[in-house]
Amino acid sequence: DTEVTQTPKHLVMGMTNKKSLKCEQHMGHRAMYWYKQKAKKPPELMFVYSYEKLSINESVPSRFSPECPNSSLLNLHLHALQPEDSALYLCASSQGTTGSYGYTFGSGTRLTVV
Amino acid sequence: AQTVTQSQPEMSVQEAETVTLSCTYDTSESDYYLFWYKQPPSRQMILVIRQEAYKQQNATENRFSVNFQKAAKSFSLKISDSQLGDAAMYFCAYRSFGNQFYFGTGTSLTVIP
Repeated sequence: DTEVTQTPKHLVMGMTNKKSLKCEQHMGHRAMYWYKQKAKKPPELMFVYSYEKLSINESVPSRFSPECPNSSLLNLHLHALQPEDSALYLCASSQGTTGSYGYTFGSGTRLTVV
Repeated sequence: AQTVTQSQPEMSVQEAETVTLSCTYDTSESDYYLFWYKQPPSRQMILVIRQEAYKQQNATENRFSVNFQKAAKSFSLKISDSQLGDAAMYFCAYRSFGNQFYFGTGTSLTVIP
């Protein structure tokens, strides 16, 4: 299995809703990442889980909260989002945290906040 | 912080022709890694090619090759025999030795039949 699987592929939610995005990989990678991507822009790093330790991009609002139940699974919990949070959310994983390892990306969740 | 610059927001190429996408970066590090990612309309970011800075030899992957000029901090991607399936957004990326990952702003490539 050489994939990163993200569910759901599309999500529409209201500003008062609570939802979660899920990301799973079975490649034995020890680092997993959440990125936010606006149209025709590069991905922006939100969170990193490396060997189950969390690193946060300080600019990410608290309405986004990551959770890493185990080394294969990464969730992103969403609460009280704003319309400007509408974007493509990409999950990625990497074999190591240093070296020439590139990231393996999932196909993303297209989130629309209404 | 390192910066990655892609000066060509859009490029086009005729099918079967060759195109070169440019990328420059700014760093004070001597050890780092460079990548080109492709993002087609299907949205998934796909690793095209990677280059270790300590290797002088340019990386190649089938029709994709890079021109890595370490002194000039340049890392261009050459696509030979362009195919319709090459149409995508291409991102250049820099990974520092300490795992910081920086993406360029992207180049949208159109392949003309």
